[in-house]
Amino acid sequence: AQSVTQPDIHITVSEGASLELRCNYSYGATPYLFWYVQSPGQGLQLLLKYFSGDTLVQGIKGFEAEFKRSQSSFNLRKPSVHWSDAAEYFCAVGGSQGNLIFGKGTKLSVKP
Amino acid sequence: NAGVTQTPKFQVLKTGQSMTLQCAQDMNHNSMYWYRQDPGMGLRLIYYSASEGTTDKGEVPNGYNVSRLNKREFSLRLESAAPSQTSVYFCASSGRDRSETQYFGPGTRLLVL
Repeated sequence: AQSVTQPDIHITVSEGASLELRCNYSYGATPYLFWYVQSPGQGLQLLLKYFSGDTLVQGIKGFEAEFKRSQSSFNLRKPSVHWSDAAEYFCAVGGSQGNLIFGKGTKLSVKP
Repeated sequence: NAGVTQTPKFQVLKTGQSMTLQCAQDMNHNSMYWYRQDPGMGLRLIYYSASEGTTDKGEVPNGYNVSRLNKREFSLRLESAAPSQTSVYFCASSGRDRSETQYFGPGTRLLVL
């Protein structure tokens, strides 16, 4: 069955520090992978996606993610976190019905 | 270009009442989706519509019905609301290909007492 695991429920980092959010997926074929961000009380905004080609994907707001097939992972990274990055982050894999299968999310807090 | 719009933004219902959540998109997308978001659960698919005139069940369809009124609009109906349906509901739309981005509406917060 298709599934997505985000092992970290809540992460706190200091402003200016680097960030890595973990995501592992389970999918039989070549996966389509997505990272979305949700600010409090808002909808979801796409940060980046991977469906083929270069395994290092660049997204908006300075985020990047690396697809590692051998580890079934698609971790999200940012070299220097800003206070405005505080939000909840969701990893998702494209399902066979065209839907998205989401992980449970990682809430990011940023310390000044 | 408004993207995906949802109404209402917030609703309080009593157990047993009915209501319809409305969703519309102006991106000429074929596919539309309804998800619910509960704390610690991520988003789960309720129903989806791959094209006008078709609808299919997702992971958690019980207690819901949907209508794809036309290409733009996809409504979600609760016939007899239950407290377990207290949640935030998101509508999304995308093009036909699985690799395409899904665009989300701002959500409807529903409280069932």
